[in-house]
Amino acid sequence: SAVISQKPSRDICQRGTSLTIQCQVDSQVTMMFWYRQQPGQSLTLIATANQGSEATYESGFVIDKFPISRPNLTFSTLTVSNMSPEDSSIYLCSVEGSSYNEQFFGPGTRLTVL
Amino acid sequence: GENVEQHPSTLSVQEGDSAVIKCTYSDSASNYFPWYKQELGKRPQLIIDIRSNVGEKKDQRIAVTLNKTAKHFSLHITETQPEDSAVYFCAVQVAGNTPLVFGKGTRLSVIA
Repeated sequence: SAVISQKPSRDICQRGTSLTIQCQVDSQVTMMFWYRQQPGQSLTLIATANQGSEATYESGFVIDKFPISRPNLTFSTLTVSNMSPEDSSIYLCSVEGSSYNEQFFGPGTRLTVL
Repeated sequence: GENVEQHPSTLSVQEGDSAVIKCTYSDSASNYFPWYKQELGKRPQLIIDIRSNVGEKKDQRIAVTLNKTAKHFSLHITETQPEDSAVYFCAVQVAGNTPLVFGKGTRLSVIA
């Protein structure tokens, strides 16, 4: 399985500010996926990040609010912009491991917006 | 797009009993069906998966069955233990390197 790290692990932010979350993988991967998990809820895909092209966003998520960078095959960032309390969630990145289909998750970033 | 329904939302069993969680999906092109276990405050962990060319897969006390005709798959946990208490998510994928679509989760409580 892939080893995935995320920074920060948690943060408390003021409304109107932005936070950038980093995801680092120990091997090169084609796709990286960003999910949001609101308190007590399931995982919802925000966007798919492919190195060398613009991220693909799911319905309800826009680039201005959640800009994503994918500068190389082992790293990606997700920014949560102009935050409001409704953005309080856990944000997780995931990648497909060396075995076809199997996807693994980073430890998550727990964001609280006041 | 793909729609995944998961039942039940909560499940309580006595230690030693079996637990069954069922998911249905809508896209007949889906071909990969993983199950994740998420303990409180932790990331989802892949516990078992099945591909569309297989009807059943077992790993010690857990098993997954797939009925492609009916478009449903189930997680079976036998001889449940308190450490099995967690939230379980089913997921569906159409092809490799594409995102997973998750069910809403089942909170399993194993009562000692």
